[in-house]
Amino acid sequence: GEDVEQSLFLSVREGDSSVINCTYTDSSSTYLYWYKQEPGAGLQLLTYIFSNMDMKQDQRLTVLLNKKDKHLSLRIADTQTGDSAIYFCAESINDYKLSFGAGTTVTVRA
Amino acid sequence: EAGVAQSPRYKIIEKRQSVAFWCNPISGHATLYWYQQILGQGPKLLIQFQNNGVVDDSQLPKDRFSAERLKGVDSTLKIQPAKLEDSAVYLCASSFKETQYFGPGTRLLVL
Repeated sequence: GEDVEQSLFLSVREGDSSVINCTYTDSSSTYLYWYKQEPGAGLQLLTYIFSNMDMKQDQRLTVLLNKKDKHLSLRIADTQTGDSAIYFCAESINDYKLSFGAGTTVTVRA
Repeated sequence: EAGVAQSPRYKIIEKRQSVAFWCNPISGHATLYWYQQILGQGPKLLIQFQNNGVVDDSQLPKDRFSAERLKGVDSTLKIQPAKLEDSAVYLCASSFKETQYFGPGTRLLVL
C-alpha cells in the first residue's frame, strides 16, 4: 500500500477554509511537502516543513505537523476558485527522494 | 529564472514502438529526477541522478526503460518497446538541496 495516504476528495465553499490531511509511515522523514497540480500541468511546490517543526505559516497557507501521529495537514484560508486543484502530500527520507500520496482533489464551489 | 523544461508535451505511439523524452533542469541544479505519474495516482520515482551519475534506479524497469544524463545537465528517458501500461505523464524534476521543482511533464499515450 501507499506509504503516504490522503483522502481523495474535498469540497469547500469559496471564502471558507480548506483543510487537507495526510498521514505518512516513515518516522525518519526529514522534510514533508505540499504540492499543487492543476489540470494538464506539472507539480507546483506550495510549501514544506522540516521534521523538527510543528507549524509553518506562509500567507494563506498553514502547515501543521504531528510527528507522534505521523500526521500532516495543510490549511488554506479564504479558499478561492483558483485553489481548485489536486494537492499532493510527499515525504522525503534519503537523498531527498520524494514519496507521494495519491492526491486530494479540492473543488471550490461558489 | 527559467523552470524545468520538458519536451515533447504530448506523444502518442503504438505498443512495441520506442519513445524518448527530454528534460532540461534549472541551471545549477545538480540533482535530476524522473517520475512516472499514472492517472489518478501520485508521481512515482523512476530514477535519480546526481550530476551525471545515477543515485537510485531501483524502480526503473530496466528491461524497457533507460535514462542518461551524459554531461550532467540535460537528461533523456527512453522506453523501448512501449507497453500499454506505460501510458502516463512523465515528470522531470531538479533540485538544489531539499526543494524539488517540476517541469510540465510529457503525456504519453500508448495504443
